[in-house]
Amino acid sequence: DTGVSQDPRHKITKRGQNVTFRCDPISEHNRLYWYRQTLGQGPEFLTYFQNEAQLEKSRLLSDRFSAERPKGSFSTLEIQRTEQGDSAMYLCASSLNEDQPQHFGDGTRLSIL
Amino acid sequence: AQSVSQHNHHVILSEAASLELGCNYSYGGTVNLFWYVQYPGQHLQLLLKYFSGDPLVKGIKGFEAEFIKSKFSFNLRKPSVQWSDTAEYFCAVNVGKLIFGAGTRLAVHP
Repeated sequence: DTGVSQDPRHKITKRGQNVTFRCDPISEHNRLYWYRQTLGQGPEFLTYFQNEAQLEKSRLLSDRFSAERPKGSFSTLEIQRTEQGDSAMYLCASSLNEDQPQHFGDGTRLSIL
Repeated sequence: AQSVSQHNHHVILSEAASLELGCNYSYGGTVNLFWYVQYPGQHLQLLLKYFSGDPLVKGIKGFEAEFIKSKFSFNLRKPSVQWSDTAEYFCAVNVGKLIFGAGTRLAVHP
């Protein structure tokens, strides 16, 4: 399967720890997106990349969050000093360009103890 | 601000019943609209999309949706649901990124 791949699937950590998630998009897709989903809600946009350039960040993305896509391929999302409110499913999606449908990965479920 | 509203949070149907899920969006420009489905334990999958042209779009598994510009609506329909349609359904508008509704959880009983 050459879909969007996310790692890890689950992450459990103590409050205050740093966590990093990885996303591997579909290989020819230029756009890569990060979303966050909490129970009972639809996914909420966090940030996106066009190749290696980060073009937009949501106000949901506090200064504890940072995302990179260093070579325009895979992306990482880091959360520093995690808080209880960071518990959520973090979704990655990719698309060929801004108009084409986004393809989603299985997500990384983050639980903060 | 752009937003998407889904009217029904939970829908319970018997097999063979007809389905209509409401979706309204708030966005003034040209829209690309989507319905995504999330089956239990699986990732979000594209059900259907509207970019332009015929406002009645057909998707996978017998689903269709109608874009009504004057009502800012993009309702999802299926004439006869199956147990395997049990899933969560999300309407979304593309404004350079996707703005999702809160989702509708559909349960279909045999």
